[in-house]
Amino acid sequence: DTGVSQNPRHKITKRGQNVTFRCDPISEHNRLYWYRQTLGQGPEFLTYFQNEAQLEKSRLLSDRFSAERPKGSFSTLEIQRTEQGDSAMYLCASSLAGKTGELFFGEGSRLTVL
Amino acid sequence: AQRVTQPEKLLSVFKGAPVELKCNYSYSGSPELFWYVQYSRQRLQLLLRHISRESIKGFTADLNKGETSFHLKKPFAQEEDSAMYYCAFHGGATNKLIFGTGTLLAVQP
Repeated sequence: DTGVSQNPRHKITKRGQNVTFRCDPISEHNRLYWYRQTLGQGPEFLTYFQNEAQLEKSRLLSDRFSAERPKGSFSTLEIQRTEQGDSAMYLCASSLAGKTGELFFGEGSRLTVL
Repeated sequence: AQRVTQPEKLLSVFKGAPVELKCNYSYSGSPELFWYVQYSRQRLQLLLRHISRESIKGFTADLNKGETSFHLKKPFAQEEDSAMYYCAFHGGATNKLIFGTGTLLAVQP
């Protein structure tokens, strides 16, 4: 197991297009988190899953954002009708339940919306 | 609202000098505090947790509930300590980790 992996690592898209990011967590981790990070800011929480259940969503997650973890393993984050303000690094992290705070992060997927 | 504040965006010190990266939080209950580090071209990783009261790479951090602080300290900085440091907080019924805006530590030779 090489840790949390995310792809694509970089995505450039035009405004209005849809994009999807994938995250593969550490295999024995039942929690999976999505964060967004913009320049000069720390990671901002978007949502998290415990197994396949999405248990918490940030108000940052507008209707254009949707995340899934269908089998409790990998997760996808889709952004519909992208806007320039969506340009950011999207980080995925995983952890064991009961070890909130001990997150293992992926390298991130950088989105640029033109 | 639960919040973590890191007042310094950049801290520049010389090798061998003491380091203190400041972190304050807003929460009335019993928090869990963490420090995460991101070295150049590497992923964000956990450095230490207040619960374990450990020293990692010479760094320590003590939770001061009276001052609502969790400052990260190291007595003698090394060049390899240069990195982005994020203080993170967890408290209450939520299972999310809230991060500060980060402090870039630059250790000069």
